[in-house]
Amino acid sequence: GAGVSQSPSNKVTEKGKDVELRCDPISGHTALYWYRQSLGQGLEFLIYFQGNSAPDKSGLPSDRFSAERTGGSVSTLTIQRTQQEDSAVYLCASSPPGGIQYFGAGTRLSVL
Amino acid sequence: QKEVEQDPGPLSVPEGAIVSLNCTYSNSAFQYFMWYRQYSRKGPELLMYTYSSGNKEDGRFTAQVDKSSKYISLFIRDSQPSDSATYLCAIPLTGGGNKLTFGTGTQLKVEL
Repeated sequence: GAGVSQSPSNKVTEKGKDVELRCDPISGHTALYWYRQSLGQGLEFLIYFQGNSAPDKSGLPSDRFSAERTGGSVSTLTIQRTQQEDSAVYLCASSPPGGIQYFGAGTRLSVL
Repeated sequence: QKEVEQDPGPLSVPEGAIVSLNCTYSNSAFQYFMWYRQYSRKGPELLMYTYSSGNKEDGRFTAQVDKSSKYISLFIRDSQPSDSATYLCAIPLTGGGNKLTFGTGTQLKVEL
């Protein structure tokens, strides 16, 4: 079956613009995670969805970042008023409850 | 102090060499440990995981955990050019949700 799909694969935007990043998880996976990978920083956890429970937003770096997951499947990460320090690769992962996380290829965001 | 520390490399070895990749962690409550491999412009993929102190072997790969020293290692025997990638150690954070904290990753190049 298909793996985790993320779109777009690359996004270039101007400082101050809003961006939306999309994640299609593996069918049947109830858990979905967003991470950010910056040069020299490794992967940082952003937000986690599990089924119908309230999301764990403890990793979001500021209130400019938000995410939603519709129908327990597709998720969108939104960054408002983008800043240059938001430039990074945004990775999505999905898993069965407590299971192995499978990652997408990521969206490479460049803020000019 | 970061929860997981990893030497970023880069590490360059000749084909056939034994490679040792290492991480240290700060929280003695961490229960289990993972190694992910990430090829350029791809998402991380799980390579190995282990729950206990000692060694776990899978083909050319051996994961080693020393909980008394809070030190984890990944050994690659008979390294191949196809092993050239970034290797990330990862540990699930305490508090539930299976959120992962990652080392910064070690970039490995295996040369012919």
